[in-house]
Amino acid sequence: GDSVTQMEGPVTLSEEAFLTINCTYTATGYPSLFWYVQYPGEGLQLLLKATKADDKGSNKGFEATYRKETTSFHLEKGSVQVSDSAVYFCALRGYGSSASKIIFGSGTRLSIRP
Amino acid sequence: EAGVTQFPSHSVIEKGQTVTLRCDPISGHDNLYWYRRVMGKEIKFLLHFVKESKQDESGMPNNRFLAERTGGTYSTLKVQPAELEDSGVYFCASSQAAGGPLHFGNGTRLTVT
Repeated sequence: GDSVTQMEGPVTLSEEAFLTINCTYTATGYPSLFWYVQYPGEGLQLLLKATKADDKGSNKGFEATYRKETTSFHLEKGSVQVSDSAVYFCALRGYGSSASKIIFGSGTRLSIRP
Repeated sequence: EAGVTQFPSHSVIEKGQTVTLRCDPISGHDNLYWYRRVMGKEIKFLLHFVKESKQDESGMPNNRFLAERTGGTYSTLKVQPAELEDSGVYFCASSQAAGGPLHFGNGTRLTVT
């Protein structure tokens, strides 16, 4: 079945460092891909998404490109801030009968030091 | 607009007891989902309501879990009797269309001792 694998955390970086959180997926067809973020004490929020191959999703300085050839959707940010500290989840959604479910990865906790 | 709200935010119960979690979706959202995250692992799908009907309940772990959505508004998820492995964070989400963006609540952290 469909699945998402993302790098295990926790990841600790200094402010202004470059961030990469790896995510790969297994799915039939052409799923939509997402990154969700959970800030402390809050619910999950959609950070960005891409719906087809080579699409780039971006938001709040974060980017991720849908790579069909490598089945990847790595999250990147050029210069992280303390306020980016959160748990990040990579996810996919199929279509047809699978469209009702979002499949999540295990989450990566990111901590940014001032 | 008010977001998805979940009650309680935390619940601590003993093994064998019953707990009921509640989710109020965004007004007008016909689609309501339950997910849970156990022991820091991946967030797993439990079930999907369209209005009051269960569209997909393939993720429900066993018959100790009962979800309802009477009247197609708020939903409850009852765990009876609770076991230690049920501990985790239970998330509710809603969307206007079945394939539309999900809006998540803050979750209910359940601890079974």
